[in-house]
Amino acid sequence: SQTIHQWPATLVQPVGSPLSLECTVEGTSNPNLYWYRQAAGRGLQLLFYSVGIGQISSEVPQNLSASRPQDRQFILSSKKLLLSDSGFYLCAWATEKGYNEQFFGPGTRLTVL
Amino acid sequence: AQSVTQLDSQVPVFEEAPVELRCNYSSSVSVYLFWYVQYPNQGLQLLLKYLSGSTLVESINGFEAEFNKSQTSFHLRKPSVHISDTAEYFCAVSLNTGFQKLVFGTGTRLLVSP
Repeated sequence: SQTIHQWPATLVQPVGSPLSLECTVEGTSNPNLYWYRQAAGRGLQLLFYSVGIGQISSEVPQNLSASRPQDRQFILSSKKLLLSDSGFYLCAWATEKGYNEQFFGPGTRLTVL
Repeated sequence: AQSVTQLDSQVPVFEEAPVELRCNYSSSVSVYLFWYVQYPNQGLQLLLKYLSGSTLVESINGFEAEFNKSQTSFHLRKPSVHISDTAEYFCAVSLNTGFQKLVFGTGTRLLVSP
């Protein structure tokens, strides 16, 4: 069966520090991968998606970036965090072919102070 | 582009009462529809989905949703809720052609009290 992992689970970082969040998927190949952010009391905002290694599409211009160095690895990064980057970050995957049914990881709670 | 509206940000109900969480979507072409549930500090779990066929779909824990094309709705219902159903519920839609992104509603918080 397929599983999706995210780490760290929680993170507290000062403003201006770098960020690296990792997401890995097991049990499937060539998944479509997604990064979402969920701000307090709000819905999900799609940040990035990827249909293959090295292929990244950005949905919202911001100081975050994403990379996909391996088929089942998706990384969210920032060189300098802002207070507004605080939130709950969710990674998700979907089969390459199918109904775009997405499966979510457990999330990372990021607090920028 | 498609969009999803969940008009109710919060729905309080008593245990064992029925509940309906509303979802309306906007799209000029055929869509797939999903309901996800999110428990506190967790990721989203797929609750049920409509892809094609029967317009009434059910989940294993007693929820059901009905696809109504004429009203562009996909409301979620449960005849008798439990305390453990307290969570945030998200409706989502995607086009049914090729690679598409999921578009989510803003969510409805279901609060079940004794």
